Amino acid sequence: QSVLTQPPSVSGAPGQRVTISCTGSRSNIGANYDVHWYQQVPGTAPKLLIYSHTNRPSGVPDRFSGSKSGTSASLAITGLQAEDEGDYYCQSYDSTLSGWLFGGGTKVTVL
Amino acid sequence: EVQLVQSGAEVKKPGESLKISCQGSGYEFSTHWIAWVRQLPGKGLEWMGIIYPGDSDSRYSPTFEGQVTFSADKSINTVYLQWSSLKASDTAIYYCARRVGTSTAYNWFDPWGQGTLVTVSS
Repeated sequence: QSVLTQPPSVSGAPGQRVTISCTGSRSNIGANYDVHWYQQVPGTAPKLLIYSHTNRPSGVPDRFSGSKSGTSASLAITGLQAEDEGDYYCQSYDSTLSGWLFGGGTKVTVL
Repeated sequence: EVQLVQSGAEVKKPGESLKISCQGSGYEFSTHWIAWVRQLPGKGLEWMGIIYPGDSDSRYSPTFEGQVTFSADKSINTVYLQWSSLKASDTAIYYCARRVGTSTAYNWFDPWGQGTLVTVSS
């Protein structure tokens, strides 16, 4: 079964740096399909945060950055702020599914 | 401004039918695929499938094939998600989202609708 695996939760103090991993396989991230990231603040719809591994849409602070290596991708948040609390999801295309996969989501808590 | 606006929350009984909508504005609606995404209570995002409003061409995730139906009315910039017989397990928030990008390998979803809460309970 095609999956993108994320840690259930990460936490950090204000100002710290946290990273969220997204591990896939040869049918998705490893097949060089792009990875994208979404932020979902509780009670609201997901919002695009990073597209095509490293690109930020207009209005997204440069505290958010993405990277990819092999069959995994990562989202980094530097200078963590209280407003960054929420759930974060990675997404990629999967050739086995012939569709799009989301990771299970990671809950970010600011201590 | 590009935006997707979804229909309001629904409360239904098991076995009933339902059709929810997603209306786009601020861009050429008929030429961008729209995805449907399910979020079960307290859970993550699941891709249900995708529809091309221009000709209603639809692709379904295996999990949802035969369980739901997508349709579109490009004259009013609207796509629909429909159930013929709801189950309690269909209780979830359903989002529509515009697919962006020129090639399947590079597609992402932006923007998203505000979501429609569907509650199925006897």
